[in-house]
Amino acid sequence: AQKITQTQPGMFVQEKEAVTLDCTYDTSDQSYGLFWYKQPSSGEMIFLIYQGSYDEQNATEGRYSLNFQKARKSANLVISASQLGDSAMYFCAMRDQGGSEKLVFGKGTKLTVNP
Amino acid sequence: GAVVSQHPSRVICKSGTSVKIECRSLDFQATTMFWYRQFPKQSLMLMATSNEGSKATYEQGVEKDKFLINHASLTLSTLTVTSAHPEDSSFYICSARPPAEAEGYTFGSGTRLTVV
Repeated sequence: AQKITQTQPGMFVQEKEAVTLDCTYDTSDQSYGLFWYKQPSSGEMIFLIYQGSYDEQNATEGRYSLNFQKARKSANLVISASQLGDSAMYFCAMRDQGGSEKLVFGKGTKLTVNP
Repeated sequence: GAVVSQHPSRVICKSGTSVKIECRSLDFQATTMFWYRQFPKQSLMLMATSNEGSKATYEQGVEKDKFLINHASLTLSTLTVTSAHPEDSSFYICSARPPAEAEGYTFGSGTRLTVV
């Protein structure tokens, strides 16, 4: 069974600073996909970044980067130069194997960016 | 990128009535869509996987007869909450896998259901 663990219920960061949101996963599969989503108070799910299990390099998308440590089964999200608009819930997710392709989510981390 | 449209965004219904939520993939064909439920300050919980042309696959503990899912075409999946009760009040959101996984699964904007 797959499992996604986000150990930080809440995180605070000063505007313009960098912040790391933790995510560890548990799977016995060799091929898997890892995702990070942002959910503002409006409820929409905004896709941020993707890392495939076979990708050699860490994924980056603008101010977002994914610190992928395969051996440790961690996929931490790094947000650089935090902005007030980054305040939201952040969810780590993994694509399920077994043919269903469903996404399994962690419990999330609430990020607050302080001015 | 891939877009999924979900309607309605908010609905208030009386206890005992049924509510239908629609999820459409606008610019790609989604043979599979996923329906999630989210309670306040909690994560997304997968309810079921909707498969075009076949029966939905429900997660353990989800009542099939209460949450009816229909995926009649490659672009439309519907979730009907039958005989709704106040405990069914929640945020429901659909998702689809785009042609390229690296693009990220696309989510609808969600439906906030309130049963009074």
